[in-house]
Amino acid sequence: QKEVEQDPGPLSVPEGAIVSLNCTYSNSAFQYFMWYRQYSRKGPELLMYTYSSGNKEDGRFTAQVDKSSKYISLFIRDSQPSDSATYLCAMSEETSGSRLTFGEGTQLTVNP
Amino acid sequence: KAGVTQTPRYLIKTRGQQVTLSCSPISGHRSVSWYQQTPGQGLQFLFEYFSETQRNKGNFPGRFSGRQFSNSRSEMNVSTLELGDSALYLCASSLKGGQHEKLFFGSGTQLSVL
Repeated sequence: QKEVEQDPGPLSVPEGAIVSLNCTYSNSAFQYFMWYRQYSRKGPELLMYTYSSGNKEDGRFTAQVDKSSKYISLFIRDSQPSDSATYLCAMSEETSGSRLTFGEGTQLTVNP
Repeated sequence: KAGVTQTPRYLIKTRGQQVTLSCSPISGHRSVSWYQQTPGQGLQFLFEYFSETQRNKGNFPGRFSGRQFSNSRSEMNVSTLELGDSALYLCASSLKGGQHEKLFFGSGTQLSVL
């Protein structure tokens, strides 16, 4: 079983919809939680970064971490066609440095 | 400021050959990490280099190796290629590879093994 599970989708929504993306994990040592966005033929870029449990908001994006349930979420409000991409969750332990454990990624399409 | 540059963008090799991929980090960044991305496994950590020393290593066979030069540029080498090595190889850089640092990824090298 993988340490991080993420539904690969694909997920297709109409423009303006609220999108919910989720990951579950099994390693209780994970302390840092990230969401990356990857466009086709590009490398991942960091969207959100959260330490331990809690919520973080940045514009249309909200990241939530529930360590008791080992569950993290990314919400995208007022989704736009430009949000069409693959979204990857990533996690790391306290002393992992650049060693991140990624989910498989969810492919999102926002239709105009 | 130039981003992370990976060369070449595409490579086609045959089984048994070896390959070398190159990564130039963002100017001033001293930590370089390598990841393998495949449709079934997602992104998997290969190794990290900082100041020319391997600081962390993932669970890949010894056929996968890397190095870092004094200018922080890094190369990774895969020997005796197997079909399963076909993947997108991504390089990421950060200032020192610390926990709170943002990783900047390159666009990757797409390797196809025939």
